[in-house]
Amino acid sequence: QVQLVESGGGVVQPGRSLRLYCGGSGFTFSSFGMHWIRQAPGKGLEWMAFIWPDGSIKHFAKSVKDRFTISRDNSKNTVYLQLNSLRAEDTAVYYCARDGANRDVDYWGLGTLVTVSS
Amino acid sequence: QSVLTQPPSASGTPGQRVTISCSGSSSNIGSNPVAWYQQLPGAAPKLLMFGNDQRPSGVPDRFSGSKSGTSVSLAISGLQSEDEADYYCAAWDGSVWVFGGGTKLTVL
Repeated sequence: QVQLVESGGGVVQPGRSLRLYCGGSGFTFSSFGMHWIRQAPGKGLEWMAFIWPDGSIKHFAKSVKDRFTISRDNSKNTVYLQLNSLRAEDTAVYYCARDGANRDVDYWGLGTLVTVSS
Repeated sequence: QSVLTQPPSASGTPGQRVTISCSGSSSNIGSNPVAWYQQLPGAAPKLLMFGNDQRPSGVPDRFSGSKSGTSVSLAISGLQSEDEADYYCAAWDGSVWVFGGGTKLTVL
């Protein structure tokens, strides 16, 4: 079965950086685009970034495109989200999710919590 | 301010039928299929509907979706207590994936 497992979250000071990881299993990882989506405490879902299956094309939300970077290593079945210049408002659970075959996002991980605080 | 617009809350009694709306524009709902997600308390979102009105395997047929122009609706019939959750619509808008603000469904 499809599984996505995020890691790398934690408490980080404002202005610092953090790298999130998402490992995929149960499917041919290199054949699927991958997303990162976040959810601030008590708030709704906010899409962050998307990367094509081969990593050649990336899309970002306007709110983070100058600070966050998405990448992937298909040999390790892993997608990454590099968070730079973190702010308090970046505090959220970060989910990775698989791009589905029907122009949707079909599978989600359980998320990893990032807390930006001094 | 979310690109897709949903009512913040909805409610119903067990057995009732409730509908959640989601409105957008020609660049998102008007030209792309819509997905719906169910997020139970404390859990990750789960795909509930794709392609406007298609249910993934395992989703009860009490859930149905429809689309008209730049709006979509999610209907839940025979409401059950376990349907109490947050519901989100989503679609591509050019090269960005956009969500509705979410609707909190309460089963009275």
